[in-house]
Amino acid sequence: DVVLTQSPLSLPVTLGQPASISCRSSRGLANYDGVTYLAWFHQRPGQSPRRLIYEVSNRDSGAPDRFSGSGSDTDFTLQITRVEAEDVGVYYCMQGTHWPRTFGQGTKVEIK
Amino acid sequence: EVQLMESGGGLVQPGGSLTLSCAASGFSFRDYYMMWVRHTPRKGLEVVANIKSDGSAKNYVDSVRGRFTVSRDNAKNSLYLLMSHLTAEDTGRYYCARENYWTMDFWGHGTLVTVSS
Repeated sequence: DVVLTQSPLSLPVTLGQPASISCRSSRGLANYDGVTYLAWFHQRPGQSPRRLIYEVSNRDSGAPDRFSGSGSDTDFTLQITRVEAEDVGVYYCMQGTHWPRTFGQGTKVEIK
Repeated sequence: EVQLMESGGGLVQPGGSLTLSCAASGFSFRDYYMMWVRHTPRKGLEVVANIKSDGSAKNYVDSVRGRFTVSRDNAKNSLYLLMSHLTAEDTGRYYCARENYWTMDFWGHGTLVTVSS
C-alpha cells in the first residue's frame, strides 16, 4: 500500500501568519492518464472531513483562496497564506491514484 | 444540496454482523462512484470499499475483503455496507462518501460502530 507521511504532525500557528504542511508518498502518484490524484482534507473537531484541494492544486468550491496545494510525483505541500481561527483542526493528505486509497496520518493545527 | 446520511451503527459482539446504510440526496446518485471510509483509533482514516456507479465493480481494502460487502440500490439512492466477522479492530466511525476526481468531495456525518463483548 502507498504510505503517505505528513510533517509536521503538530503545527502551532499564529493568527495571520502563513503555515505549510508536507506530504510525502512512498510511491509516485501520477496516474496512467497523467493526472495526479492527491487531495487535502480539513477536519474540524466534531465534524466530518471536508475536501479543500483535489488533483494536487485545484481548490474545491467553497474552500477559501488562502489555501493552495502544490507538488508532484512523491512530494506535496498544502499552504495557508494567512491562518485564521477557523483553520484549526486536523489536515490530511490522501491519494486516489492507487488502490487502496490511503491517507496521511494527519497534521493537527492549533493557534498559539 | 448534497446530503449523505448514514445509519445502522451500534454495539456488536466480536464475530457478529452489522449492516450500515447511507441515504443520498441532492445529486444524481446513479452517476457517481460511492465509498465507505472509516476512522479508527488504530489506523486513522481508511478507505474500506468503493463501488462503481452502476454497482458492477467493487474494491475492498485487504483487511475487510471477504468479510465486508458493499452494495447500492440506485432506485432508492442508497448505499450499503454489510459487515460480518467483526473484530475490535473494526471499531470506529464509518462514513459514506461521494467519489469525485478519485477522492471524496462530500461526506456524511458518520455512524459509530463499536465491537465489544
